[in-house]
Amino acid sequence: QVQLTESGPGLVHPSETLSLTCTVSGFSLTGYSVYWVRQPSGKGLEWMGRMRYNGDTSYNSALKSRLSISRDTSKNQVFLKMNSLQTDDTGTYYCTRDGGGPFAYWGQGTLVTVSS
Amino acid sequence: DIQMTQSPSSLSASLGDRVTITCRASQDIGNYLTWFQQKPGKSPRRMIYGATNLAAGVPSRFSGSRSGSDYSLTISSLESEDVADYHCLQSIQYPLTFGSGTKLEI
Repeated sequence: QVQLTESGPGLVHPSETLSLTCTVSGFSLTGYSVYWVRQPSGKGLEWMGRMRYNGDTSYNSALKSRLSISRDTSKNQVFLKMNSLQTDDTGTYYCTRDGGGPFAYWGQGTLVTVSS
Repeated sequence: DIQMTQSPSSLSASLGDRVTITCRASQDIGNYLTWFQQKPGKSPRRMIYGATNLAAGVPSRFSGSRSGSDYSLTISSLESEDVADYHCLQSIQYPLTFGSGTKLEI
């Protein structure tokens, strides 16, 4: 079945770079797009960007200067890198996939805390 | 960017009540509107897609509707397991944008 699993460092220091991995199973990254969504603690959801099935990327303009999404299809992994992290980047980061409509499948999320 | 104005931000209701949450789109989004339920500490769960289509496994007491640029999620008879945050999403145009969320309590 379709599964997405986020992994990352948990704690990042201010001004450093966040690196997250979304490992997928049950489908091919060349057949489906994968999206990143984040949720600051106690707040709403924010779309960050996507890795399209054909390798193209799209980014939220508010994050575009800091954000990069890439993939390794052989490892079934999608990567998120975001630099110059600040405390308001603290929150839970999700990867998600469409299925008969938007965002049918979600990972469990990974909590990222930005703190010195 | 398309703004999704979600109301109310919080809602307290009683078991058995009919509950409605609304999102208003700042531009035409057709039926590209999805509703999610999110329980504490859990990932969002898709409830309604295409404005009115019930996602797989979602109880039939949930429904979605559209009136112009207003999109609504209705729970016909509130149950205790429906306590959660609810979010709307427009997916007609990038960047995809969510509403600010509604906290539903009993």
